[in-house]
Amino acid sequence: KAGVTQTPRYLIKTRGQQVTLSCSPISGHRSVSWYQQTPGQGLQFLFEYFSETQRNKGNFPGRFSGRQFSNSRSEMNVSTLELGDSALYLCASRFSTATNEKLFFGSGTQLSVL
Amino acid sequence: AQTVTQSQPEMSVQEAETVTLSCTYDTSESDYYLFWYKQPPSRQMILVIRQEAYKQQNATENRFSVNFQKAAKSFSLKISDSQLGDAAMYFCACETGTASKLTFGTGTRLQVTL
Repeated sequence: KAGVTQTPRYLIKTRGQQVTLSCSPISGHRSVSWYQQTPGQGLQFLFEYFSETQRNKGNFPGRFSGRQFSNSRSEMNVSTLELGDSALYLCASRFSTATNEKLFFGSGTQLSVL
Repeated sequence: AQTVTQSQPEMSVQEAETVTLSCTYDTSESDYYLFWYKQPPSRQMILVIRQEAYKQQNATENRFSVNFQKAAKSFSLKISDSQLGDAAMYFCACETGTASKLTFGTGTRLQVTL
């Protein structure tokens, strides 16, 4: 099985622009979560989608949004980029059974805002 | 809300030796899960070990084991027979049963020397 795929790996944008990041979960996984990783704030939860519905949301401004498609692929959008949005954005898909649950992460998209 | 604290920014261990990484957490929930993740230079977060809070028995995965002290809210990771490939950032994380999101600690960078 292919792992969690995030595209692109690297992205450079300027302040004020918007950006869309993509995440394809492991086949059969219906839940996708997004995390932001920065040297200053560490790893922070952005949101989670399950079956095309946002199930949980972190404490980020409305400029950060996401969606999930019927094939479970997810996109994250950041509008009006700020310098502080420079970060590694990690996506994870969740495997759940009655007795076990695991999160599988992708390699992330490194976003640099100039 | 939960918090996770890792008080060791960096640790070093010689190859074949044993090292213990510390983690404390705080949550008001009775149903929660604890994790250790490894992040090598490739940036992908890899699950090392998972512990259900309701289980008294400490989890073990090959050379990796935990010391789960529920009353003290402590969750340390022991790596035995350390290998060069163990060098990475290690993150402790907590997830409650009611919210499918991980709260991470700030990480411990582990160096493995010859």
